[in-house]
Amino acid sequence: DVKVTQSSRYLVKRTGEKVFLECVQDMDHENMFWYRQDPGLGLRLIYFSYDVKMKEKGDIPEGYSVSREKKERFSLILESASTNQTSMYLCASSSTGGVGTEAFFGQGTRLTVV
Amino acid sequence: AQKVTQAQTEISVVEKEDVTLDCVYETRDTTYYLFWYKQPPSGELVFLIRRNSFDEQNEISGRYSWNFQKSTSSFNFTITASQVVDSAVYFCALSKKGGTYKYIFGTGTRLKVLA
Repeated sequence: DVKVTQSSRYLVKRTGEKVFLECVQDMDHENMFWYRQDPGLGLRLIYFSYDVKMKEKGDIPEGYSVSREKKERFSLILESASTNQTSMYLCASSSTGGVGTEAFFGQGTRLTVV
Repeated sequence: AQKVTQAQTEISVVEKEDVTLDCVYETRDTTYYLFWYKQPPSGELVFLIRRNSFDEQNEISGRYSWNFQKSTSSFNFTITASQVVDSAVYFCALSKKGGTYKYIFGTGTRLKVLA
C-alpha cells in the first residue's frame, strides 16, 4: 500500500516558535508538495519539490520554507509561527514517470498557533 | 492562468437521492489532466478518478459517474443513490502534462447525506 506519512496529526505551538512539519513517502516519488487547507479556500499550494534539494514556490510561500535532503522526506518550516498560520497542512507526493499521475496525500496535520 | 471553480459550497441530500457536484476549469494548455478527490472526516484526501484532456468519454464506476465536456470546460461528478458514507468534502483538481507540473484544486464541495 502506498503511503504518505505526516509526523503529527495535531500540533499546538506558540507565536514566534520555529515549527517543523515532516512528511515521508515510501513510493520513491520524485514530486512532493505542501498544501494548506482553510475553510472556503480549498487547498492552496505552499511549496513543491521535484527532486532532492530542488524546490519551487507555490501560491502562498510567505512565512514558510522547505527542505528536501532525501528523496523520501519533505519538511515544511514555519520560521516564526503566527496565528494566521493556524490551519490544516497536507503533504502529497506524485510520480513524474507517468504523466497525469495522481497525487497521494498524507492524513494532514492540524496546526494551531496560540 | 489555471483555475478550478467548484461553485457549490455545500449540498445536503437525503439518502438514495442522486447528486451532482459541479467542476469548471480554466486552462490554456491543450494537454491537461483532471481529478476528483474525496476527503472524509478523517482528513486524508482519497483519489477517485483521473481524466486526460483527450478523452471525453464519460466514466461510470459503481454508483459514481463523471461527465467531462471540453466545450463547457466542465468535469462534473454524479453520485447515484447516495449513501451516508458518501458524506465528505469533494475536490476537483487540474494538472498539466510535462515539466514540473503541480495540482490546482478547487475550493471543494461539502456533501452531507442525511439518513
